[in-house]
Amino acid sequence: SQTIHQWPATLVQPVGSPLSLECTVEGTSNPNLYWYRQAAGRGLQLLFYSVGIGQISSEVPQNLSASRPQDRQFILSSKKLLLSDSGFYLCAWSVLPNTGELFFGEGSRLTVL
Amino acid sequence: GESVGLHLPTLSVQEGDNSIINCAYSNSASDYFIWYKQESGKGPQFIIDIRSNMDKRQGQRVTVLLNKTVKHLSLQIAATQPGDSAVYFCADGSGGYNKLIFGAGTRLAVHP
Repeated sequence: SQTIHQWPATLVQPVGSPLSLECTVEGTSNPNLYWYRQAAGRGLQLLFYSVGIGQISSEVPQNLSASRPQDRQFILSSKKLLLSDSGFYLCAWSVLPNTGELFFGEGSRLTVL
Repeated sequence: GESVGLHLPTLSVQEGDNSIINCAYSNSASDYFIWYKQESGKGPQFIIDIRSNMDKRQGQRVTVLLNKTVKHLSLQIAATQPGDSAVYFCADGSGGYNKLIFGAGTRLAVHP
């Protein structure tokens, strides 16, 4: 069966520090991968998606970047965190195109102080 | 801005009652919608979807209704149970590549 792992689950970082959140998927090949951010009490905002190794599409301009060094690995990074980067970051994968069914990880809660 | 939104941020229901969660969208070209359930501290889970060639779709204890004329959809949960307590999101999946645009969510609280 397919599984998705995200880490770390919780992170407290000072403003200006770097960030690296990792996501790996097991049990599937060539998935579409996604990074979403959820601010407190809000819906999910799509940040990046990837249809293959090295292929990253950014949905909104921001202080973050994403990379996909391997087929089932997706990394969210920042060189210098801002207060506004605080939130709940969710990685997701899908295989079937245009089915709307994303499989989400457990999320990483980032607090920038 | 967001292309989907929800009418109420919180919905409280008695256990055993039916729940109706509403969602409005603004893009008349949108043709595919999905409902997700998010329990506290977890990632969202797919519930049910509907395409614009349908007005109604049923799953296990859930029904989604789509009214394209007024750009409105709803999620109905029959015989609501405590385990249904969560935040429910509608999402517009019309953008391709499964790039979903989520609404703000409605928190469903089920009381005994």
